[in-house]
Amino acid sequence: AQKITQTQPGMFVQEKEAVTLDCTYDTSDPSYGLFWYKQPSSGEMIFLIYQGSYDQQNATEGRYSLNFQKARKSANLVISASQLGDSAMYFCAMREENRDDKIIFGKGTRLHILP
Amino acid sequence: EAGVAQSPRYKIIEKRQSVAFWCNPISGHATLYWYQQILGQGPKLLIQFQNNGVVDDSQLPKDRFSAERLKGVDSTLKIQPAKLEDSAVYLCASSIYGGSYGYTFGSGTRLTVV
Repeated sequence: AQKITQTQPGMFVQEKEAVTLDCTYDTSDPSYGLFWYKQPSSGEMIFLIYQGSYDQQNATEGRYSLNFQKARKSANLVISASQLGDSAMYFCAMREENRDDKIIFGKGTRLHILP
Repeated sequence: EAGVAQSPRYKIIEKRQSVAFWCNPISGHATLYWYQQILGQGPKLLIQFQNNGVVDDSQLPKDRFSAERLKGVDSTLKIQPAKLEDSAVYLCASSIYGGSYGYTFGSGTRLTVV
């Protein structure tokens, strides 16, 4: 079974609009962390945001926020006021504390921002 | 601080040849990871080191792939002999064990096997 599911292979969004990228996860570990990474066409993986399973509040980093719904095992990334430079692949990932600190990635969502 | 360094940036080889990739992690990061990312997919963990010991190599095709991390710092990933399906980007990452900020990735090595 997949640990991380990203159901949107690709999305097109108009510049300046908000966009939500979906992510669901599967774990029986009570302690885990959720990450979002951005990968532009140049290939580097850029860390965006982190949410711990015990964090009471949703994580925010500038224009990025993570909509964490623990009971639904959902960790959607919200990008507000999208910009042309946001066009990239976005990966949701999870680290289970009882599994040697490994991070497992989803298959990604390709986001296209339209001018 | 300096980032994770990887070399080479690109490599083209013929099938059945051998190739090696090098990674220098961020100073003080005990954990080092090699990921394989096939075009259009998410990264897949190949091997994880804690200092110079292997923590997980369950997805490393050991008949052709090998990796080492001498002295708990630099690491080398080798493929011998290469197959067409090994064409991918090989990403190295390092982290402080248990850190909440995930990994820091290098720029990757794009391997093309022809």
